[in-house]
Amino acid sequence: QSVLTQPPSASGTPGQRVTISCSGSSSNIGSNYVFWYQQLPGTAPKLLIYRNNQRPSGVPDRFSGSKSGTSASLAISGLRSEDEADYYCATWDDTLRGVFGGGTKLTVL
Amino acid sequence: QVQLVESGGGVVQPGRSLRLSCAASGFTFSSYAMHWVRQAPGKGLELVAVISYDGSNKYYADSVKGRFTISRENSKTTLYLQMNSLRIEDTAVYYCARHLFGGIDYWGQGTLVTVSS
Repeated sequence: QSVLTQPPSASGTPGQRVTISCSGSSSNIGSNYVFWYQQLPGTAPKLLIYRNNQRPSGVPDRFSGSKSGTSASLAISGLRSEDEADYYCATWDDTLRGVFGGGTKLTVL
Repeated sequence: QVQLVESGGGVVQPGRSLRLSCAASGFTFSSYAMHWVRQAPGKGLELVAVISYDGSNKYYADSVKGRFTISRENSKTTLYLQMNSLRIEDTAVYYCARHLFGGIDYWGQGTLVTVSS
């Protein structure tokens, strides 16, 4: 049982917009930045979104993040087959302690 | 470019020890906190341990507290994870990761630890 709650699965068709939610509490998401990671099959996770809604260079603007209160969301627009992966949210406090969501497996139909 | 290369994984019997290493390059290692994160087969990500940039602060997941020790050698730009009293449930891919912007930004490719009799 992860501290941050994500739906175990999500799906969409090519070109569609998909959102993945991440629910926490006032002690984690409510008071810290949210990060999102993409993990393609058989590879290490990759940073997708940092500090709630910032994209590292090289991440397409099809990916966007938002946060409101104790919840956060990752949105993927213009869905592509290569977006099929596991997605994780995470948050850290000022003492470097962090928690991950349980992960969401995204299927592109 | 930032590179994190883990090594030291392998097959080990329950109760035995193993030490993982993570060689860092492409950035000023001594300026960054570093993490070990693991992923059991078919499971999600679990933060195992974190160490501050100078090694003065360390935190551990409850599941490994008292058994695992994180350390770093800034002169060698290397991060370590000493794992003692290994259990079957410690079987996982172990990732080394850098802390920036309030979270993890870069990950290594991982090293597999299998605890089995």
